Amino acid sequence: NAGVTQTPKFQVLKTGQSMTLQCAQDMNHEYMSWYRQDPGMGLRLIHYSVGAGITDQGEVPNGYNVSRSTTEDFPLRLLSAAPSQTSVYFCASGRTGGTEAFFGQGTRLTVV
Amino acid sequence: DAKTTQPPSMDCAEGRAANLPCNHSTISGNEYVYWYRQIHSQGPQYIIHGLKNNETNEMASLIITEDRKSSTLILPHATLRDTAVYYCILIFQGAQKLVFGQGTRLTINP
Repeated sequence: NAGVTQTPKFQVLKTGQSMTLQCAQDMNHEYMSWYRQDPGMGLRLIHYSVGAGITDQGEVPNGYNVSRSTTEDFPLRLLSAAPSQTSVYFCASGRTGGTEAFFGQGTRLTVV
Repeated sequence: DAKTTQPPSMDCAEGRAANLPCNHSTISGNEYVYWYRQIHSQGPQYIIHGLKNNETNEMASLIITEDRKSSTLILPHATLRDTAVYYCILIFQGAQKLVFGQGTRLTINP
């Protein structure tokens, strides 16, 4: 099992550009989520999904879109990047009703 | 989810036990205490969780007070690789949404 795989690991965007952060898991987990972590802070929930076709907003959803067409993939889209979205982004997955969440290694995004 | 309070930083000597406290005075009866750690900006890693009984696994022990208003994570023989930020999080059974505070930055000194 590869676990939770995030791509790319690093990305630099110009203000106004769009991009998609990829997240894939091979553990057949129903639950997937995206967090962002700003310097010196804990992680904050952006969006989450309890299964294919179902998504919902977390604590800081503005500026981000998600979709969940398959169990394995949960991409995060930035439609018009802003410097305030400079952060490290983590994807996580877990079994509904399960105990632990499994995290990817993160995508470090810089918006200039 | 109820909030937790942790000291911002702690130091521990290598080979000694590291005891990380967490206060959660407003915990609900069906909220579990979870601990995660984050090593040098990697993705957080699950350590252990418990409801009311003390728990132990290959990584750590979790001691929860009888009134459940506080808990302590114990790393019995800390190594340099245990240097990380440790997060205490309250989660309802089966839930997956994690609310992270600022955690405790644990530094293990040689």
